[in-house]
Amino acid sequence: NAGVTQTPKFRVLKTGQSMTLLCAQDMNHEYMYWYRQDPGMGLRLIHYSVGEGTTAKGEVPDGYNVSRLKKQNFLLGLESAAPSQTSVYFCASSYGTVWRSNQPQHFGDGTRLSIL
Amino acid sequence: GENVEQHPSTLSVQEGDSAVIKCTYSDSASNYFPWYKQELGKRPQLIIDIRSNVGEKKDQRIAVTLNKTAKHFSLHITETQPEDSAVYFCAAGESYFNKFYFGSGTKLNVKP
Repeated sequence: NAGVTQTPKFRVLKTGQSMTLLCAQDMNHEYMYWYRQDPGMGLRLIHYSVGEGTTAKGEVPDGYNVSRLKKQNFLLGLESAAPSQTSVYFCASSYGTVWRSNQPQHFGDGTRLSIL
Repeated sequence: GENVEQHPSTLSVQEGDSAVIKCTYSDSASNYFPWYKQELGKRPQLIIDIRSNVGEKKDQRIAVTLNKTAKHFSLHITETQPEDSAVYFCAAGESYFNKFYFGSGTKLNVKP
């Protein structure tokens, strides 16, 4: 099993460009999440999904959109990239809620995104 | 929303000594408190977690304590080893929804 796979691993964009980050998991997990990690800060939740076809806003959703058309994939889109979105983006997935499943979140290796 | 504060931001200890990292949280509804270890350039890895109905949990050299009244929880690492060197993050949130808020991290350096 690959676990959680993120593509691409690195990307440099110019201000105003758009792009999509892909997260794929092969563990049949219901829940998927997108976080961003900035220097000196912990992970901040951007958007999450509790199942195929559902999405919800997290702590810092502005400037991002997401889609969960297939259970195994969770896409994060930047419509018009800004330098403030320079960050490392982590995707995670989990079988269910911690309370119900006692299963932790599984993280991908991250995508390092620079906006010039 | 939840606000999680973590201290210290950096911690240097001698190999074999103990290390303690402390976190406070603001939302009394939080009931789940995981700790993650992140090595340079790697993904965060869950190392231990605790639920609000438990005051302490141990796993070999790692332990976590929770004080719900004071809204703080701590990570204790005993007999530290160089491979413990990493950034450690605490988090707090409601386990029903899996929405967690992270602290800003502690960079632990274990000197051989």
